[in-house]
Amino acid sequence: ETGVTQTPRHLVMGMTNKKSLKCEQHLGHNAMYWYKQSAKKPLELMFVYNFKEQTENNSVPSRFSPECPNSSHLFLHLHTLQPEDSALYLCASSQVEPPMWGYTFGSGTRLTVV
Amino acid sequence: GIQVEQSPPDLILQEGANSTLRCNFSDSVNNLQWFHQNPWGQLINLFYIPSGTKQNGRLSATTVATERYSLLYISSSQTTDSGVYFCAVGQGGSEKLVFGKGTKLTVNP
Repeated sequence: ETGVTQTPRHLVMGMTNKKSLKCEQHLGHNAMYWYKQSAKKPLELMFVYNFKEQTENNSVPSRFSPECPNSSHLFLHLHTLQPEDSALYLCASSQVEPPMWGYTFGSGTRLTVV
Repeated sequence: GIQVEQSPPDLILQEGANSTLRCNFSDSVNNLQWFHQNPWGQLINLFYIPSGTKQNGRLSATTVATERYSLLYISSSQTTDSGVYFCAVGQGGSEKLVFGKGTKLTVNP
């Protein structure tokens, strides 16, 4: 375990389903992130939460809805997804105040939309 | 926005060989990190190196911020070094990172 835990590891869902991805960090960090990694594309930043406040929404469609109830937990709620949303979804955390070292990533959730 | 270019895109080595991976970026940065993604998708932070040189075992990294590039050196490569190496940069007071497309390294026994 890297200190950032993501569940589930794999998820298959239909286009009409609603599901949630969970991320938990045990490092005392104060910023958390969602990234999307599709085949043959760079990692794309989706959302940033800094001290539980959303500071970045990188033009993500509304069918993805993040939630950050506290500095240790981050969720990504999914509904009415499309097949092109199939990807590896990665959560990360970092210390931003004061700034220290780098990101720690979770193992990711591999999502398949059918 | 800032552009991050990594080279080469693919690299195949024999076990024991040395290699250098390069990351060029288009603007000033105050955050630069190198990551290794293993075949199972896990991203591991190798270095936080906005400037200067760091070493960790067989790996070392150098960032020349004034010339907008960073290098990752892998010496005496092992099959477990296989995977994709990403460079990511951040600017100003922003905590977000912009990733390059990565270098896919294959180390053959």
